[in-house]
Amino acid sequence: GEKVEQHESTLSVREGDSAVINCTYTDTASSYFPWYKQEAGKSLHFVIDIRSNVDRKQSQRLIVLLDKKAKRFSLHITATQPEDSAIYFCAASMSNNRIFFGDGTQLVVKP
Amino acid sequence: DMKVTQMPRYLIKRMGENVLLECGQDMSHETMYWYRQDPGLGLQLIYISYDVDSNSEGDIPKGYRVSRKKREHFSLILDSAKTNQTSVYFCASSRDWGGYEQYFGPGTRLTVL
Repeated sequence: GEKVEQHESTLSVREGDSAVINCTYTDTASSYFPWYKQEAGKSLHFVIDIRSNVDRKQSQRLIVLLDKKAKRFSLHITATQPEDSAIYFCAASMSNNRIFFGDGTQLVVKP
Repeated sequence: DMKVTQMPRYLIKRMGENVLLECGQDMSHETMYWYRQDPGLGLQLIYISYDVDSNSEGDIPKGYRVSRKKREHFSLILDSAKTNQTSVYFCASSRDWGGYEQYFGPGTRLTVL
């Protein structure tokens, strides 16, 4: 089945800098790539997604890039703020299959 | 109001006892999930339910079973709980089983002594 890998287990940035979290996937048939955020002691919630018919999507300070050739996608958080500190999970799925999550990246935004 | 609820939020059980975790959603979503989350291991899928009485094993179904008799309600049952089932359990729902956002419940922290 699909395997999603998150390359950074932890990432530390200074407030105001950009953060980039990278993920790779194995199944070329995957077409949906969501990202979830989990703040300390809380549940996960959806933040942004991208589908395979586009290679870039932006929502406010969040940008997702998708490189289908390299089977790689990334989450860019610009102008980071302390409240961006959390674990971020990437995921991948095909339209007719379950979703597969990466193991998460702990983002720390230092003031 | 789009919401996934879980009961109880915290539970302490002794090894060998039965455990019932309950999940509800108010979005009429067809698909529901049970995950467990252990430190450093991300999310592991236990079971997925495509609709009432239509359930499939996930990656780690051993020691668990599920029940879905109503679309809005999905239960996770541990018959004779084991200490290695101590974990945080998350329920989630989505409109369909691929290509759609999942809504997560607040989680149940289960401790098996």
